[in-house]
Amino acid sequence: QVQLQESGPGLVKPSETLSLTCTVSNYSITSGYYWGWIRQPPGKGLEWIGNIYHSGSTYYNPSLKSRVTISVDTSKNKFSLRLSSVTAADTAVYYCARDTGGDFFDYWGQGTLVTVSS
Amino acid sequence: QSVLTQPPSVSAAPGQKVSISCSGSTSNIGNNYVSWYQQLPGTAPKLLIYENNKRPSGIPDRFSGSKSGTSATLGITGLQTGDEADYYCGTWDSSLSAGRVFGGGTKLTVL
Repeated sequence: QVQLQESGPGLVKPSETLSLTCTVSNYSITSGYYWGWIRQPPGKGLEWIGNIYHSGSTYYNPSLKSRVTISVDTSKNKFSLRLSSVTAADTAVYYCARDTGGDFFDYWGQGTLVTVSS
Repeated sequence: QSVLTQPPSVSAAPGQKVSISCSGSTSNIGNNYVSWYQQLPGTAPKLLIYENNKRPSGIPDRFSGSKSGTSATLGITGLQTGDEADYYCGTWDSSLSAGRVFGGGTKLTVL
């Protein structure tokens, strides 16, 4: 069973950079598939942030593209999210997930709440 | 404002059947597969349906999916109290705002 686990600070100050890591277990990132980040503001719906392939190719939500960087560390079987210049609107539960490339996410992490506040 | 439109809420009694709609356009649902996710309170979304009507291993056949044109529907029969959750549809959008997109979510209440 593929498992994903998000980690990172739960509190980030406005204007700073949010950084999260997703550790993948029981599956090698280099075996294929895309790896993505999705977020969910409190009480609201899901918003796709972006995906990365093990080769490093990335695809970002156009509305966030100027602030987002997703990278992969195949040696540690992890991938990461950086979101710069955060505001209170970036407060959300952030999920990492495996994207099959077939228009769906089949495995999800449990999510981590990131609050943007001074 | 979500690219895909879902009703905010639906409700039905235990044992009954309910349908949740997801409306889009030719740039998303009309030319791509649709998936559905169940999000129980306080948990991560879980894949229920993929490629319009396929169920992952372990998902009971009470859950079904269909697609027609630019709309998709999730059906749930034999409703159980444990089905109370938020349900989201998702697909790929190939417009200028290309990328993965989700519906706004539908809250299912089992009365």
